[in-house]
Amino acid sequence: GAGVSQTPSNKVTEKGKYVELRCDPISGHTALYWYRQSLGQGPEFLIYFQGTGAADDSGLPNDRFFAVRPEGSVSTLKIQRTERGDSAVYLCASSSSGTFTDTQYFGPGTRLTVL
Amino acid sequence: DQQVKQNSPSLSVQEGRISILNCDYTNSMFDYFLWYKKYPAEGPTFLISISSIKDKNEDGRFTVFLNKSAKHLSLHIVPSQPGDSAVYFCATTGGSSGSARQLTFGSGTQLTVLP
Repeated sequence: GAGVSQTPSNKVTEKGKYVELRCDPISGHTALYWYRQSLGQGPEFLIYFQGTGAADDSGLPNDRFFAVRPEGSVSTLKIQRTERGDSAVYLCASSSSGTFTDTQYFGPGTRLTVL
Repeated sequence: DQQVKQNSPSLSVQEGRISILNCDYTNSMFDYFLWYKKYPAEGPTFLISISSIKDKNEDGRFTVFLNKSAKHLSLHIVPSQPGDSAVYFCATTGGSSGSARQLTFGSGTQLTVLP
């Protein structure tokens, strides 16, 4: 079956612009996670959805970052007024029900470069 | 402050020998531990996990050991194969906080298995 997919695979933008990153989770998975991975670091948690609602957004770095999941499947991560420090690989993961022992399956990521 | 530490950024091992990857954590509230493997341009892939009530879990060539008193876990790969060459991340989750479901990752260890 299809895994987690993310589009675009690469995004280059200019400082100050707005970007949207899309995640298609595994069909039927109710839990969806966004992480950010900077060079030489492990992924860092951003936000977790259970169904349509953001159950935990404690990892979002500031109010320029926002994510939605309006129908409980596809999610979009939105970044306003991008800064060079936002450059990273943005990873999405999904799991079947969101308990902490459920395996999180990751997509290939979107590499964001802010010039 | 890093809650999960992988102090060796790289490790080289001869094919057929044992690979040992190490990880330390600081938060005693973590109660589920995982290892993920990551190839270039792909998302992390789940490898093996262990609950805090156990001290060992084995899956084929992969064994994870947990020493709760030392807040230390390790991944053993025996025998190592060239296809095992990848970045290995240890991660933790669980605990009683509201953020129990998010994964907290170490910074990764690049394993190179030499033929």
